[in-house]
Amino acid sequence: QQQVKQSPQSLIVQKGGIPIINCAYENTAFDYFPWYQQFPGKGPALLIAIRPDVSEKKEGRFTISFNKSAKQFSLHIMDSQPGDSATYFCAATVSSNTGKLIFGQGTTLQVKP
Amino acid sequence: EAGVTQSPTHLIKTRGQQATLRCSPISGHTSVYWYQQALGLGLQFLLWYDEGEERNRGNFPPRFSGRQFPNYSSELNVNALELEDSALYLCASSLSPHSYNEQFFGPGTRLTVL
Repeated sequence: QQQVKQSPQSLIVQKGGIPIINCAYENTAFDYFPWYQQFPGKGPALLIAIRPDVSEKKEGRFTISFNKSAKQFSLHIMDSQPGDSATYFCAATVSSNTGKLIFGQGTTLQVKP
Repeated sequence: EAGVTQSPTHLIKTRGQQATLRCSPISGHTSVYWYQQALGLGLQFLLWYDEGEERNRGNFPPRFSGRQFPNYSSELNVNALELEDSALYLCASSLSPHSYNEQFFGPGTRLTVL
């Protein structure tokens, strides 16, 4: 019940395409869902985050869609660029001072020029 | 503003030895988190320290331990190293324990157990 399942494992798109990464969870107590971006040799960096009282959040070219009833959320990258090539992780946590982020398995994205 | 720093960058040990990894949080951050990123397993939560106390622990054996110092820096110790402990160990820090506060990650320490 503590798992976050992420798909696909890898994704290749052309420049300008809209890659979509999906995550699903079981624990209905989760109430904060961040997405992290990780480049090779670097630690993950927060990209965008959402709480379940919102169905969609946009920050620049990145959009999170959230479906509370289906317990699913997804990341869309608009007008993708080669510089977006990285590994993306979804995560979830319970905001009761657990401090513990539960991460998905990660999606390696390659954006071809 | 300096980010989270970790040392060493790489660490090579043999099975049965002990490893010590260090982390300095962003100035003003009181919470420090440790994660293990093993190949194919994603990021797994290890430990959370706040104000010098261990607040939460992931599903890891007791040979994984750590501490947080009065200056909020932290140390992760792994005793009796096993081959499967080979991984990237990431440290993160946040302003306070509230989970809505972003966890800022360091670049990690790559531990290789031979």
